[in-house]
Amino acid sequence: SQQGEEDPQALSIQEGENATMNCSYKTSINNLQWYRQNSGRGLVHLILIRSNEREKHSGRLRVTLDTSKKSSSLLITASRAADTASYFCATERKGNDMRFGAGTRLTVKP
Amino acid sequence: EAQVTQNPRYLITVTGKKLTVTCSQNMNHEYMSWYRQDPGLGLRQIYYSMNVEVTDKGDVPEGYKVSRKEKRNFPLILESPSPNQTSLYFCASSLSEPFSYTYNEQFFGPGTRLTVL
Repeated sequence: SQQGEEDPQALSIQEGENATMNCSYKTSINNLQWYRQNSGRGLVHLILIRSNEREKHSGRLRVTLDTSKKSSSLLITASRAADTASYFCATERKGNDMRFGAGTRLTVKP
Repeated sequence: EAQVTQNPRYLITVTGKKLTVTCSQNMNHEYMSWYRQDPGLGLRQIYYSMNVEVTDKGDVPEGYKVSRKEKRNFPLILESPSPNQTSLYFCASSLSEPFSYTYNEQFFGPGTRLTVL
């Protein structure tokens, strides 16, 4: 089974609303990263949170990490139509062993 | 400009015809990796390489080969492609920092869309 699993699989919201995506994982990690991918294109790194951190912010992004529950959330505030994309969480375990989830497809309607 | 490049970007081929997808990075990264992305399955790691001449299997290595003769290049080889290898492929690279908490972002290439008929 996959290490990182996003929830929900798909999310549709109106422009201006907040979008929250969750990620769960199974084993201990060094860090967790969130990526976005526009349809059919490469991945863009959004934010990294280390296992000893609980929350990080970057612009309209807010990421939390709960290592006791083995889960993370990505919050996008004041969403825009341009935020429409797939969002992936990736967990890095020892060394450079990374695992990606299946992604959350976010649609922001104008 | 720091980047990961892949070629070709698009490829349509037939079953059994050997092909190679090239990957190159200009950041002097030690770690390189290949992923395939399929709908509903996310990214799955095919092979990775910790350094020159050091490669290892990822989650889905069957039907693929790789080589790492130079630090900057990490080609993906399909000796006898089959239709189930139709997918979107990504190459990635990062600094190698084993067992550490240091920042270790992976840089991804633009992707190669492969169709095997």
